Amino acid sequence: GENVEQHPSTLSVQEGDSAVIKCTYSDSASNYFPWYKQELGKRPQLIIDIRSNVGEKKDQRIAVTLNKTAKHFSLHITETQPEDSAVYFCAASRDSSASKIIFGSGTRLSIRP
Amino acid sequence: NAGVTQTPKFQVLKTGQSMTLQCAQDMNHEYMSWYRQDPGMGLRLIHYSVGAGITDQGEVPNGYNVSRSTTEDFPLRLLSAAPSQTSVYFCASSYQPSQPQHFGDGTRLSIL
Repeated sequence: GENVEQHPSTLSVQEGDSAVIKCTYSDSASNYFPWYKQELGKRPQLIIDIRSNVGEKKDQRIAVTLNKTAKHFSLHITETQPEDSAVYFCAASRDSSASKIIFGSGTRLSIRP
Repeated sequence: NAGVTQTPKFQVLKTGQSMTLQCAQDMNHEYMSWYRQDPGMGLRLIHYSVGAGITDQGEVPNGYNVSRSTTEDFPLRLLSAAPSQTSVYFCASSYQPSQPQHFGDGTRLSIL
């Protein structure tokens, strides 16, 4: 079945620096790749997603890149701020009403002042 | 618009007890799913449903049952609670798996 691996499990960066989180997936038919942010004690919330017909998508300080050949995608956060501290999850699914979505194991991002 | 509502928010059970975690959504979403999140770990898929009357197993289905008699509701049943099922449980819904997932606030379950 589908498997999504996420690295690193923890990441600490200086405020203002960039953070990169990487995921790989096993199902070559996957074509939807979202990223979720979960603040402490809260529900996960979507921050950005990408579909396989594009290679990169950007929304202000966050961007996601996709390499379908290598079956990996990455989240990039630039100019990190204290409020970026959270757990981030990647996920993957097929574009089919009969499929399911599988999440990675999460990355705990800490921003050092 | 309530979104995804999970009840209860907290629950303590004794080993061997049974209970049902409730999940309801008012967005007419076809896809619903249950995840468990253990400390320091990710979201592991327990069961999911692509529409009323259709359910399937996820990554960690053992010890849990689900049913989907209506589009709105997707209850998760623990048949005989075990300490290993202590976790935070999240329900999520969307139009399709390849659409943004809307999560409930979670149920924190402790089994003694």
